[in-house]
Amino acid sequence: NAGVTQTPKFQVLKTGQSMTLQCAQDMNHEYMSWYRQDPGMGLRLIHYSVGAGITDQGEVPNGYNVSRSTTEDFPLRLLSAAPSQTSVYFCASSYAGVDYGYTFGSGTRLTVV
Amino acid sequence: SQQGEEDPQALSIQEGENATMNCSYKTSINNLQWYRQNSGRGLVHLILIRSNEREKHSGRLRVTLDTSKKSSSLLITASRAADTASYFCATDAGGSGSRLTFGEGTQLTVNP
Repeated sequence: NAGVTQTPKFQVLKTGQSMTLQCAQDMNHEYMSWYRQDPGMGLRLIHYSVGAGITDQGEVPNGYNVSRSTTEDFPLRLLSAAPSQTSVYFCASSYAGVDYGYTFGSGTRLTVV
Repeated sequence: SQQGEEDPQALSIQEGENATMNCSYKTSINNLQWYRQNSGRGLVHLILIRSNEREKHSGRLRVTLDTSKKSSSLLITASRAADTASYFCATDAGGSGSRLTFGEGTQLTVNP
């Protein structure tokens, strides 16, 4: 099992550019989430999904879009990159319900200049 | 806003000693989870304790939960240099397990 795979691992964008961060899991998990991690602020939830075709906003959704057309994939789109979006982004997945922990990807380190 | 808050923010101990980290949260929960993050890596799930449990063990890890005080503690016994990492508690913000809220973490350093 590959678990949760995130690509790319590193990315530098110019202000105003758009890009998509990819996330794929092969564990047939229903739940998937995107977080950003900034120094001293822990992880903050951007968007999440409870199944294919269902997405919702988390704590810091502005500037990001998501879609979930399949169980396996949950891409995160930056519409018009801003320096404030410089961060490390993590994708995570879990089985549905309250008895399961999440499996995290290894992260994408994004710098917006 | 962060639901969970860890204490202390940083902890430095010698190999073989025990390490205790605390987490407080604000709202009712279904479960509380602890994760470890090694520098530059993704988070790894360590243990989940349900709201109707008071204590849970996994290897050298012991987690307690006090729902009346809205707090949890993570004890790592007989620590090793490889335990050096950041430790985060997380609670379910949505009630269905679909939305985790993380604290800011405790940075544990275990000196050889």
